[in-house]
Amino acid sequence: DAGVIQSPRHEVTEMGQEVTLRCKPISGHNSLFWYRQTMMRGLELLIYFNNNVPIDDSGMPEDRFSAKMPNASFSTLKIQPSEPRDSAVYFCASSLLDSYEQYFGPGTRLTVT
Amino acid sequence: QKEVEQDPGPLSVPEGAIVSLNCTYSNSAFQYFMWYRQYSRKGPELLMYTYSSGNKEDGRFTAQVDKSSKYISLFIRDSQPSDSATYLCALNTGGFKTIFGAGTRLFVKA
Repeated sequence: DAGVIQSPRHEVTEMGQEVTLRCKPISGHNSLFWYRQTMMRGLELLIYFNNNVPIDDSGMPEDRFSAKMPNASFSTLKIQPSEPRDSAVYFCASSLLDSYEQYFGPGTRLTVT
Repeated sequence: QKEVEQDPGPLSVPEGAIVSLNCTYSNSAFQYFMWYRQYSRKGPELLMYTYSSGNKEDGRFTAQVDKSSKYISLFIRDSQPSDSATYLCALNTGGFKTIFGAGTRLFVKA
């Protein structure tokens, strides 16, 4: 199994630009999580999908952030417009339903200048 | 007050030392306790998982949960340079949301 796949691994963009992060969860996993990790705030849950349906997006910081999961094997996290304070490592994780073991992808390191 | 408190370190020990990593928490509803290991520029990976109070051992690693004190620990015996990583405690009440500690950076010197 290839594990959770994220792309791109690194993204450098200018303030105001749209950023799209992509995630392919492990096949058969029906829960998907997007996290943001910074030195100041640690690992924060942004949004949680269960069977492709967004269950909780209370961690999404602002309306500039949106996430979709059109099918069981693909999810996107979009930031529009991006701001320097969005600079962080964004992780996607997946798990089986009702399992507490989450499998994390390698992350996307986002830098907004 | 944060739900989970974890000293960020860094913690530096010589090879072979016993390492103790700890977290305290405030919510007595937490039932599931996990430790994740995160190598530099990688995603976290689950290392240990325990339910409720008690000890769990896996090779050189031992996880302890003391619910009465709201205190969890991870012990690493015979530490190796390959154990150098950030260790995050993670707690869950039984729902979908897992709360992560800030992580403790560990360096094991050869």
